[in-house]
Amino acid sequence: DAKTTQPPSMDCAEGRAANLPCNHSTISGNEYVYWYRQIHSQGPQYIIHGLKNNETNEMASLIITEDRKSSTLILPHATLRDTAVYYCIVRPAYSGAGSYQLTFGKGTKLSVIP
Amino acid sequence: ETGVTQTPRHLVMGMTNKKSLKCEQHLGHNAMYWYKQSAKKPLELMFVYNFKEQTENNSVPSRFSPECPNSSHLFLHLHTLQPEDSALYLCASSQDPGQYLNYGYTFGSGTRLTVV
Repeated sequence: DAKTTQPPSMDCAEGRAANLPCNHSTISGNEYVYWYRQIHSQGPQYIIHGLKNNETNEMASLIITEDRKSSTLILPHATLRDTAVYYCIVRPAYSGAGSYQLTFGKGTKLSVIP
Repeated sequence: ETGVTQTPRHLVMGMTNKKSLKCEQHLGHNAMYWYKQSAKKPLELMFVYNFKEQTENNSVPSRFSPECPNSSHLFLHLHTLQPEDSALYLCASSQDPGQYLNYGYTFGSGTRLTVV
């Protein structure tokens, strides 16, 4: 079972910031939060990941709450090409049985509207 | 292009056929994965190879047979499939896991398989 909860769908106006929430209330101290997205008929694309601190790269920012029970992926200026299903995934930080598994849930379908 | 190439992009096969899916990466990664994505269902991990050795098999039926001749190539051999096996089959690769799993996966574009 996926260890995260995401809204099934969201809309965002083109050019505005898209804020995608994720709840992971059972996350343990040694688990990362990863975000991937999947554009229609393509393979998932890695976006960003973090453990405790907020992270930023050329694609997005990841804000993790202090208690680590939830996070928000921010696309600062959404474009039509950002329309995709966004997956929030919790994954162990250290190797061990089952640690290779990236468990994908149903994700959030983000529609960027002109 | 992501650096992970899957062929063919589309495949239609009969239930008695034998076919193979191919995945190739030249990213210097040592771990490779097969995932299955059926309509309206989340991605499911099928197999994991690390340094050519199979490390995980998530209860996949024997009609799916993986092969990893080297760290850059991964195959999925298919035989006597059922219509419910129709799905998008995705290959992914990642760095040598080592002790710390601080990395992302790179996925290919997938093979859309239809079993008739």
